[in-house]
Amino acid sequence: DAGVIQSPRHEVTEMGQEVTLRCKPISGHDYLFWYRQTMMRGLELLIYFNNNVPIDDSGMPEDRFSAKMPNASFSTLKIQPSEPRDSAVYFCASSPNYEQYFGPGTRLTVT
Amino acid sequence: TQLLEQSPQFLSIQEGENLTVYCNSSSVFSSLQWYRQEPGEGPVLLVTVVTGGEVKKLKRLTFQFGDARKDSSLHITAAQTGDTGLYLCAGAGPSGSARQLTFGSGTQLTVLP
Repeated sequence: DAGVIQSPRHEVTEMGQEVTLRCKPISGHDYLFWYRQTMMRGLELLIYFNNNVPIDDSGMPEDRFSAKMPNASFSTLKIQPSEPRDSAVYFCASSPNYEQYFGPGTRLTVT
Repeated sequence: TQLLEQSPQFLSIQEGENLTVYCNSSSVFSSLQWYRQEPGEGPVLLVTVVTGGEVKKLKRLTFQFGDARKDSSLHITAAQTGDTGLYLCAGAGPSGSARQLTFGSGTQLTVLP
């Protein structure tokens, strides 16, 4: 079975540009989570969805960040405009119960 | 303020040695999970503990949940180089949905041959 799929794996962009990260959860999982990982702050929850509906977005840093889940098999995390401090590894995870399955992550570098 | 404190932050040992990693909080969690993350990959779930005082064994790894469900430990016996990685504890709750995890800062373990 395919695990959680994320794309792109690496993204390098210039400050001010729009960045879109993509995630395909494991089929049948009704929860989807977006995390950000940095050396300084560790793994932080940004937002999570249940049955495609956003439940808690209190971890989203600011209005520059937005996330959508148009259907059960696809979610996006968008940063517009991007800033150097957004550089991090962004993970998507899906869950059928209390266990979370992580994707390989997208390493974002904003110059 | 970090809700879940892990110690030590870094640990480097020789193959064959034993080690213990700790995960502490002042909050009560409904369950606690341990993950291992290798470079360039996402965290992978190792175990979930739910009941206070619960002990689970996974080959050479022993996980314990504190009686008050505020802390946990991971003990590795006779470490191997393949155990190298970032170990993360994650608590479900205490506020918000039980599905929502709060991750500790992690313990970077290096097992030397």
